[in-house]
Amino acid sequence: NAGVTQTPKFQVLKTGQSMTLQCAQDMNHNSMYWYRQDPGMGLRLIYYSASEGTTDKGEVPNGYNVSRLNKREFSLRLESAAPSQTSVYFCASSLLAENNEQFFGPGTRLTVL
Amino acid sequence: AQSVAQPEDQVNVAEGNPLTVKCTYSVSGNPYLFWYVQYPNRGLQFLLKYITGDNLVKGSYGFEAEFNKSQTSFHLKKPSALVSDSALYFCAVSPNTGFQKLVFGTGTRLLVSP
Repeated sequence: NAGVTQTPKFQVLKTGQSMTLQCAQDMNHNSMYWYRQDPGMGLRLIYYSASEGTTDKGEVPNGYNVSRLNKREFSLRLESAAPSQTSVYFCASSLLAENNEQFFGPGTRLTVL
Repeated sequence: AQSVAQPEDQVNVAEGNPLTVKCTYSVSGNPYLFWYVQYPNRGLQFLLKYITGDNLVKGSYGFEAEFNKSQTSFHLKKPSALVSDSALYFCAVSPNTGFQKLVFGTGTRLLVSP
């Protein structure tokens, strides 16, 4: 099992460019999440998908969109990147949304110039 | 809304000594509590969780945590630290009713010296 995989590992964008971060899990988990990690701020939830076919906003959704493509895949899109979106992005999944531990991918380090 | 406080940015301990990483929380109702560890350039890894029952929870790599409802704390402990325990540790909380999002603390860096 690969667990949770993310692509790309690194990305540099110019302000205004768009990109999609890909995430896939092979654990047959129902719930998936996107977080960003910034120094001194811990992890903040951007969007989540409690189950296939549903998505909801987290704590910091502005500037992002998501797609739960199927049970395995959950993508995060930046339509017009801004320097404030420079961060490390983590995808995670859990078997169920309630009281289950989350499994994290290795992260994508994004720099917006 | 729930919140987590990890009051120490960094904890230093000598190898072989006991370690404690502190966490306090605020949540409506009863909590689900988690500890995660992050090694450099890696994603977070689950260590342990408290859902209900025994206040002392044992987890991976010899770590344990004690849930204290009156003090709203969930401190992470290990009897004998290893250099390889050096990493960033995150506490997280959610209410125990329905689907609730996890809220993470800001993290505590643990440095274990040889």
